[in-house]
Formats: sequence, structure tokens, C-alpha cells
Amino acid sequence: DGGITQSPKYLFRKEGQNVTLSCEQNLNHDAMYWYRQDPGQGLRLIYYSQIVNDFQKGDIAEGYSVSREKKESFPLTVTSAQKNPTAFYLCASSTSGAPYNEQFFGPGTRLTVL
Amino acid sequence: EDKVVQSPLSLVVHEGDTVTLNCSYEVTNFRSLLWYKQEKKAPTFLFMLTSSGIEKKSGRLSSILDKKELSSILNITATQTGDSAIYLCAWDQFYFGTGTSLTVIP
Repeated sequence: DGGITQSPKYLFRKEGQNVTLSCEQNLNHDAMYWYRQDPGQGLRLIYYSQIVNDFQKGDIAEGYSVSREKKESFPLTVTSAQKNPTAFYLCASSTSGAPYNEQFFGPGTRLTVL
Repeated sequence: EDKVVQSPLSLVVHEGDTVTLNCSYEVTNFRSLLWYKQEKKAPTFLFMLTSSGIEKKSGRLSSILDKKELSSILNITATQTGDSAIYLCAWDQFYFGTGTSLTVIP
């Protein structure tokens, strides 16, 4: 079955630790995205990548880093520099990065900082 | 600053009611507006509206784009409990509104 998977489903982190969220897709999509969702704030774009080995910052990239070494994978690292990392993180992909393509979303990772 | 605003923030209706959700966008270069339904975790795509496709319909759901007023509406007729979800609109797939939380009571 084609789709997007994210792992883990739930993640707990101590303050000062870096954590990496996994996102994998087998839809053969060129573009991938990371969003953060907080209550009452909708989805906010962290990073996106339109092609392998290339990515761009979104509105709230500070404290996050990404890599795109393979077409199917787009991991997100939440660093200790991110001041308020507790949130629900969604990964998505689309055929291309053009604005006329729907996005397919993964099931999300809920990160809690203890 | 470009932004997408949705209203109302939440809505509670009874089964069978018709609802209208609003999305207004203040953007400098409109290209597409998308609607998604988020039931539990992953949003799922409903409609995409562009300059060349300002009206879409699928079953009980329909959406219209008003480029002049810079807004879009999502209509759901004969609502069912399965329509309970958060409805998100997005400009150019990047910029999402805060969503409208719809609850349909039996």
C-alpha cells in the first residue's frame, strides 16, 4: 500500500535533548513537508523540500533541522534550541512542489518535552 | 503579511443541518486554495480551487471560490456524525488557516 509513515507515534524528550522524527513515503513524490500543529493555531510550515538534497525554511524553522538524502525520506530533528517543542508534528508529500498539487499527510508524531 | 483566516472557529449542529464554513485569504499572489478534513490525525484532501476551477462538488460537500472577495466557502448539506472533524483551508498548500471544528450531534 502506498502512503506516508511517521514514527514514532508518541515521543517524550527531556529538555536539552535533540530528537529526530522519521517520515517515509512510497508514493514516489518529489516534494515533502513538515508542519507543526498547536491547539488553535492550525498547521505551520517548518521546512519543505522540492527535490533530493535541497530544502527550504518555512515560517518557523528556528530550532529545527532537516535532511533530504533520499527521495522517500525527510527526517526532522528538533534541537535543544527549539524553545517550545511540545506539539503535534505532521509530515506530508505531494507530486511536486508546485501550488496545484494536493498534499498527502502522515499520521503524525506527538512530541512532549518533560 | 499573507494569511488565511477561517470562521467560525467552532460549530455544533444537529444531524441533517446544512453548514457553511468560511475561509478568507489575504495574499499577494493567489494561485490555489485547498480544503482538508482532519478527523483525528492526518488531514485528508477535499477540494482544490484555482482561477480556472472556482467551484467543486463531491456528494454532500461543495466549495466555491470568490476571487473578488478573496474568500471561499465549504458547504456541507444533510450533515452526518461522520462529518465531525476539523476543516482546514490552505493557500498554495503552504499556509493553513486555524481550522473550523465541526461537531455534528445525532
